[in-house]
Amino acid sequence: QSVLTQPPSVSAAPGQMVTISCSGSSSNIGKNYVSWYQQLPGTAPKLLIYDNDKRPSGIPDRFSGSKSGTSATLGITGLQTGDEADYYCGTWDSSLRVVVFGGGTKLTVL
Amino acid sequence: EVHLLESGGGLVQPGGSLRLSCAASGFTFSNYAMNWVRQAPGKGLEWVSLFTGSSGGTYYADFVKGRFTISRDNSKNTLYLQMDSLRAEDTAVYYCATAGARVSVLDYWGQGTLVTVSS
Repeated sequence: QSVLTQPPSVSAAPGQMVTISCSGSSSNIGKNYVSWYQQLPGTAPKLLIYDNDKRPSGIPDRFSGSKSGTSATLGITGLQTGDEADYYCGTWDSSLRVVVFGGGTKLTVL
Repeated sequence: EVHLLESGGGLVQPGGSLRLSCAASGFTFSNYAMNWVRQAPGKGLEWVSLFTGSSGGTYYADFVKGRFTISRDNSKNTLYLQMDSLRAEDTAVYYCATAGARVSVLDYWGQGTLVTVSS
């Protein structure tokens, strides 16, 4: 059981937009910045979004992040088949004093 | 270019020990906090441990406290994870990752090393 809650799967057609939610509590998302990671099949995770809505160098602006209260959202526009991956949210939990992740969301581009 | 290379994984019997290493290059290792994260086969990411940069503080997930020890040798640009009293449920790919803007921002990841705990 993950501390952060994500939907197990989402799907959309190429060119469309999709959002992935991440729900937490006042001790984690409510107090701290959220990051998002993309894990393509058979590869290591990659940082996609940090500090709620910032993109590292090289990440296209099709990827966006937002946070409100104890929830965060990853948005992907102009979906491509290459976006098919598992996506994870993560943050610090100030009460547990640990890094916490969501259970992951599998994106299928139909 | 940042490069992280994990090693030390393998097959070990329940109750046994392993020491994982993560060799870092391409950045000033001593300035950065470092994490270990694991992923059991077919499962999601699970944070294991953190070694902060300057303060030298260490943090552990509850399920490894008292069994795993994180350490680092800044002279060798290497992060370690000593794993004792291993259990079948510790079977996973173990990744090391740098902590960037914040300790919870894992901005660079290694390719991982597989640990299998089985008799």
